[in-house]
Amino acid sequence: AQSVTQLGSHVSVSEGALVLLRCNYSSSVPPYLFWYVQYPNQGLQLLLKYTSAATLVKGINGFEAEFKKSETSFHLTKPSAHMSDAAEYFCAVHFFGNEKLTFGTGTRLTIIP
Amino acid sequence: NAGVTQTPKFQVLKTGQSMTLQCAQDMNHNSMYWYRQDPGMGLRLIYYSASEGTTDKGEVPNGYNVSRLNKREFSLRLESAAPSQTSVYFCATGTATLSGNTIYFGEGSWLTVV
Repeated sequence: AQSVTQLGSHVSVSEGALVLLRCNYSSSVPPYLFWYVQYPNQGLQLLLKYTSAATLVKGINGFEAEFKKSETSFHLTKPSAHMSDAAEYFCAVHFFGNEKLTFGTGTRLTIIP
Repeated sequence: NAGVTQTPKFQVLKTGQSMTLQCAQDMNHNSMYWYRQDPGMGLRLIYYSASEGTTDKGEVPNGYNVSRLNKREFSLRLESAAPSQTSVYFCATGTATLSGNTIYFGEGSWLTVV
């Protein structure tokens, strides 16, 4: 069955530390992959997306993600966390043959001063 | 989120009441979507419309109806609200086929059913 999994519903990192948010998918065919960010009381905003071009994708606010087919993963990273990165992050997947976008359950990122 | 407008932003309903959430977009997108967001469950698709005049069920359509009034507008109706429908509702739009294209979200409608 096709699915998307985000490991860790809550992640805390110190300001200036590496941010790593994990996303794995289950599909025999590599899908299109997205990361969205949601700030409190707001809608979702696209951070970056993978659409079968470069496997390392750079997004807004210094975030990037690497598509690894062998690991069926699309983890989100940022070298140095900033207080303004505190938000909820959603991995989303468009599986081929499916008209909808499937979301992970989200990871809430807290930045420790 | 400037291109997708949802109304109302906040609403409190009594069990059994009906209401309609409105969504309008000025992005000239063909596809429109309604999602609900609940803690620990991410976003789940309620209904979507691939083009004007068509609608399809998503993962959690029970208790909801939709209308694609024209290309710009896609409304979500709760005929008889239940406490289980307390949630945050998001409207979104995208091009006709996803194929890696981005979908854009409105700012959400907070609904409480008491």
